[in-house]
Amino acid sequence: DSGVTQTPKHLITATGQRVTLRCSPRSGDLSVYWYQQSLDQGLQFLIQYYNGEERAKGNILERFSAQQFPDLHSELNLSSLELGDSALYFCASSPEPWGTPLHFGNGTRLTVT
Amino acid sequence: QQQVKQSPQSLIVQKGGISIINCAYENTAFDYFPWYQQFPGKGPALLIAIRPDVSEKKEGRFTISFNKSAKQFSLHIMDSQPGDSATYFCAASPKYSGAGSYQLTFGKGTKLSVIP
Repeated sequence: DSGVTQTPKHLITATGQRVTLRCSPRSGDLSVYWYQQSLDQGLQFLIQYYNGEERAKGNILERFSAQQFPDLHSELNLSSLELGDSALYFCASSPEPWGTPLHFGNGTRLTVT
Repeated sequence: QQQVKQSPQSLIVQKGGISIINCAYENTAFDYFPWYQQFPGKGPALLIAIRPDVSEKKEGRFTISFNKSAKQFSLHIMDSQPGDSATYFCAASPKYSGAGSYQLTFGKGTKLSVIP
């Protein structure tokens, strides 16, 4: 068990809808990362927060947003969903802003129908 | 764009054999090279990692070989077991030097199947 908790495990929704994915980092970790995993693209970095502030942005669509709360949990909001957004979304955490070592949760599988 | 290229995409090895997965990178600022193991339905889990000041690191049956001049590193799994069947990802990140982006960049993964 990595200590990173993600909810829900599965999410099925329709195109055009909005969903929120939640992540609780390992105890003591200040940095949270979101990754998207699809079959053909591997693990794609979306965004990083460190101690409540946005630290780095990757290939995150404008329809997606995230935040990290004072208790350090993070939420990834996905809106105007498209079929192509169907993927596994992973949250990971690390103690420091440089991301090593990085511990992953078990992901949220999003299916857009 | 920073890239890490991983090969092969899939690998079938007989039980007891050696599994070898290779990765190549472009960014000379990369300073940390971990390997992750992912089982179906689970998140990637850190397996072993190396920094460029050493050419090899061994942990049990798992060994990372690192060639700085060629910008390549590889994972060797000795005495491969069916329980090693999983997807393996190499990754890399730059050395921390203050503000900026230091997230891991991942290879696309290798699906390893170890057959009895």
